[in-house]
Amino acid sequence: KAGVTQTPRYLIKTRGQQVTLSCSPISGHRSVSWYQQTPGQGLQFLFEYFSETQRNKGNFPGRFSGRQFSNSRSEMNVSTLELGDSALYLCASWTGGLDGYTFGSGTRLTVV
Amino acid sequence: AQKVTQAQTEISVVEKEDVTLDCVYETRDTTYYLFWYKQPPSGELVFLIRRNSFDEQNEISGRYSWNFQKSTSSFNFTITASQVVDSAVYFCALSDQGISGGSNYKLTFGKGTLLTVNP
Repeated sequence: KAGVTQTPRYLIKTRGQQVTLSCSPISGHRSVSWYQQTPGQGLQFLFEYFSETQRNKGNFPGRFSGRQFSNSRSEMNVSTLELGDSALYLCASWTGGLDGYTFGSGTRLTVV
Repeated sequence: AQKVTQAQTEISVVEKEDVTLDCVYETRDTTYYLFWYKQPPSGELVFLIRRNSFDEQNEISGRYSWNFQKSTSSFNFTITASQVVDSAVYFCALSDQGISGGSNYKLTFGKGTLLTVNP
C-alpha cells in the first residue's frame, strides 16, 4: 500500500517568505503529526491532528501552524521564515492501534 | 517531562560484529510507549518496534533484539551479525500519557546514534 507522501521534497525560500508543506497519510490513518529535524536540535514535535482537530502542540512559535482536512491530508505553514527554520520536516501517520507511526520521506526546507 | 538519552553519538563496527545501541528514558507516567526507528541516508524514518511499558518481555526479530528493563529505564537495541545495510542513524523515542490517559500523541526522540558498519 502507498506510504506517507510529502510534497514537495525540496524547497528553497527567502527569509520573510511563507511556506506550505503537504502530507498525505496512509489510507485509513486519521492521525497525522509533524516533526522538525535539525542537526542541532534533533527531532522535535510540532503538532498532531486527528479528525481535523489539533490534539497536541509542541513548543514552537505561532509562525508554525497546521491543519487537517476531512480526507486526513494535512498541511503545515510557516510564516515569516527565518534562517533557523531550515530543516527536514517530517510527517507521520498512525492508525491509532498497536503499531508505530509511519513517517514520510520529508520535505527539506532551506531558507536563504 | 519526558526525556530520552542516547549516549552513543557514533558507533563504528566491522561487518558481522554484534552491536548494542543504548537508550535511557525518563517519564513520570506509569503507562508509556517506547519506539525504535532507523533513518537511512534517504531521510525517511523506518519503524522498527513499539513496546508498551507494561510488557517487559524482550523481543527478537531476525538479527534484531530489544532488551526492555523498567528498573533501569532502559530500552536497548542489539543487532547481531551486523551488515553494511544496517548503517544508518537509529533513534529511540518515547510517548507517554496525555491528559485523557491515553497516548499524548507525541514522540520524544533521543539525539540518535549513527551506526557505521564497515565491510
